[in-house]
Amino acid sequence: QKEVEQDPGPLSVPEGAIVSLNCTYSNSAFQYFMWYRQYSRKGPELLMYTYSSGNKEDGRFTAQVDKSSKYISLFIRDSQPSDSATYLCAMGGTQGGSEKLVFGKGTKLTVNP
Amino acid sequence: EAEVAQSPRYKITEKSQAVAFWCDPISGHATLYWYRQILGQGPELLVQFQDESVVDDSQLPKDRFSAERLKGVDSTLKIQPAELGDSAMYLCASSLGIGPSASDTQYFGPGTRLTVL
Repeated sequence: QKEVEQDPGPLSVPEGAIVSLNCTYSNSAFQYFMWYRQYSRKGPELLMYTYSSGNKEDGRFTAQVDKSSKYISLFIRDSQPSDSATYLCAMGGTQGGSEKLVFGKGTKLTVNP
Repeated sequence: EAEVAQSPRYKITEKSQAVAFWCDPISGHATLYWYRQILGQGPELLVQFQDESVVDDSQLPKDRFSAERLKGVDSTLKIQPAELGDSAMYLCASSLGIGPSASDTQYFGPGTRLTVL
């Protein structure tokens, strides 16, 4: 079992839809959780950062972390064609002082006008 | 806004040749990371530097890969000899420190796409 599991999709939705992206993980040592957005042929860019359990909202984006279930989610409201990208979950925790991030495979999202 | 710079953006090479990638992190960022991202996969850490010292290179294939960060600023990743399986995106990232706080989140460069023929 991989440390981080993420459904690669692809996921295709109409403009304005609510999008739900998810990851599960197995390592209970993970303390902080991130979502990155990666456009084609570009490097990942940080979207959301969450430390421990709970919700965080930033504009149209909401990140949720449920450490008891080892499950994290990213919700995108009122999705736009410009949201079309691959979304990568990433997580990390104290590992001997080296804060190594472990990434999911990424979910490819297409928002159709 | 400060960005992580990488060059070249694209590199095509033949098997058994040597290749090198360069990264200039965001100014003031002490921690620098090199990742490899195979198509359809998430990035996987190859090596992490704190200033000029290697913190983690457990996943770096040391028989053919080398990385250095002289003077603790920019960094070079080298592959010699390149193999077909090395075709991937090589990403550089930097962060202020190595702690778990939000200020230590990693910022990625645009990557170097390597194709080995």
